[in-house]
Amino acid sequence: GNSVTQMEGPVTLSEEAFLTINCTYTATGYPSLFWYVQYPGEGLQLLLKATKADDKGSNKGFEATYRKETTSFHLEKGSVQVSDSAVYFCALSRQGAQKLVFGQGTRLTINP
Amino acid sequence: DTEVTQTPKHLVMGMTNKKSLKCEQHMGHRAMYWYKQKAKKPPELMFVYSYEKLSINESVPSRFSPECPNSSLLNLHLHALQPEDSALYLCASSQDTDRGRQPQHFGDGTRLSIL
Repeated sequence: GNSVTQMEGPVTLSEEAFLTINCTYTATGYPSLFWYVQYPGEGLQLLLKATKADDKGSNKGFEATYRKETTSFHLEKGSVQVSDSAVYFCALSRQGAQKLVFGQGTRLTINP
Repeated sequence: DTEVTQTPKHLVMGMTNKKSLKCEQHMGHRAMYWYKQKAKKPPELMFVYSYEKLSINESVPSRFSPECPNSSLLNLHLHALQPEDSALYLCASSQDTDRGRQPQHFGDGTRLSIL
C-alpha cells in the first residue's frame, strides 16, 4: 500500500538555524509529493510540491527534492524564523487517485 | 486568506441537535472533499465529490450526511453526533480528481464540539 513516514517531532530550533524534516514514502508508480503546513488554529496550506523524480519544489525559503532512488522528499530551510512555527505534513497522491496520503505530521517550534 | 471558505468557524452542539457545516470555493474546482482532523493527527478523508457526485465515502457513519448542491458548495449535515465526533472538520477542493498530481486547497475548518 501507499504510505508516508515523517521524522517524529516535536522539533525545536533557534531562530536562523538550519531545518531538515525527513519524509520517506512507499508507493506504486510515480506519485506526486507535497508538503503542507498548518499554523495554529488554521487549515492546511500547500507549501510546495513535486510531480516527478528530481523535481525541486520551493516556496518561502523552503525546498524539497523528489528523490526516487531513496524514496524521499525531505523538507529544508536554510534559516528558520519564529513565524515558521507550525505543524508540517508530508503527503503523496497517485495519478488517477482521489486520496492524499499524509504522514503523521511534525510539530516545529522556533525560539527567538 | 484561504480560497476555500468554511462556516461556521466554531460549533457547539448537543447530541440530539441537527446542524450543517458549509464550504464554498470559487476557483472553478470540480472536486471537493471533507476531512476530519483530531488533535495532533493528520486529516482523515471522509467524503469526495467529483463533478457534484459522491465518489468516495470512507465508511463514514450515517450521522454524517454530505451534500453538494452545486460545483461551488459543499455541505455536511450533522445529526445525533457522539462526543468522539468532536474534531476539526476541513473542506478542500482541487481542479478535479482525475489526476492526482493536482494539489488540494484547504479551508480553515470548523471546530466542532459535541456536548
